[in-house]
Amino acid sequence: EVQVVESGGGLVQPGGSLRLSCAASGFTLNTHWVHWARQAPGKGLEWVSQIDPNGNGRSYADSVTGRFTTSRDNAESTVYLQMNSLRPEDTAVYYCARGGVLYAVDMWGQGTMVTVSS
Amino acid sequence: QSALTQPPSASGSPGQSVTISCTGTNRDVGRYNSVSWYQQHPGKAPKLLIYEVTKRPSGVPDRFSGSKSGSTASLTVSGLQAEDEADYYCCSFAASNTYVFGTGTKVTVL
Repeated sequence: EVQVVESGGGLVQPGGSLRLSCAASGFTLNTHWVHWARQAPGKGLEWVSQIDPNGNGRSYADSVTGRFTTSRDNAESTVYLQMNSLRPEDTAVYYCARGGVLYAVDMWGQGTMVTVSS
Repeated sequence: QSALTQPPSASGSPGQSVTISCTGTNRDVGRYNSVSWYQQHPGKAPKLLIYEVTKRPSGVPDRFSGSKSGSTASLTVSGLQAEDEADYYCCSFAASNTYVFGTGTKVTVL
């Protein structure tokens, strides 16, 4: 089955760190932009970051700039989201998504839950 | 990076049409022909319906159509069906190579 799969979510204390991973099944992520988006419980979608196929171009939402970093290992066909200095308001389901068409994402993962709480 | 503005809710009877607006600024919707629309059923991941304002990915019914005028984009769902009941989000490319989602609209099929 062609899909993207996130992993690495969990419970972390405020100020802590967590690294999410995004892998592909049935295709290679290496030639695609990859986005991260999140959705707090009962709330709307929020775009978080994107990374280009070479890993050289990255951008972030203001709300995570300076705390989150996206990277990729094309040898492993995996994209990462390193989240530092986590805050309770970062609590959300985090989605990895493939930028398969221009200016949009055409495939979403099932999401991984991140809970920031003491 | 303020969220694009969508109406919280919209509704229609089966077979009718519903149109959802998505209002941004001249830094996002008004500047780029990059608006996309996503459908999300409860507990599920979003699904791409429209990209580049008017284009439909393969497999998306032509009941779904998009348009844009100035800083406001719109999604029209024609011939409403029960399975169209879901949350809908717009999204636009924006300044500094970022993206911004809309606030979301819950569509109810009466």
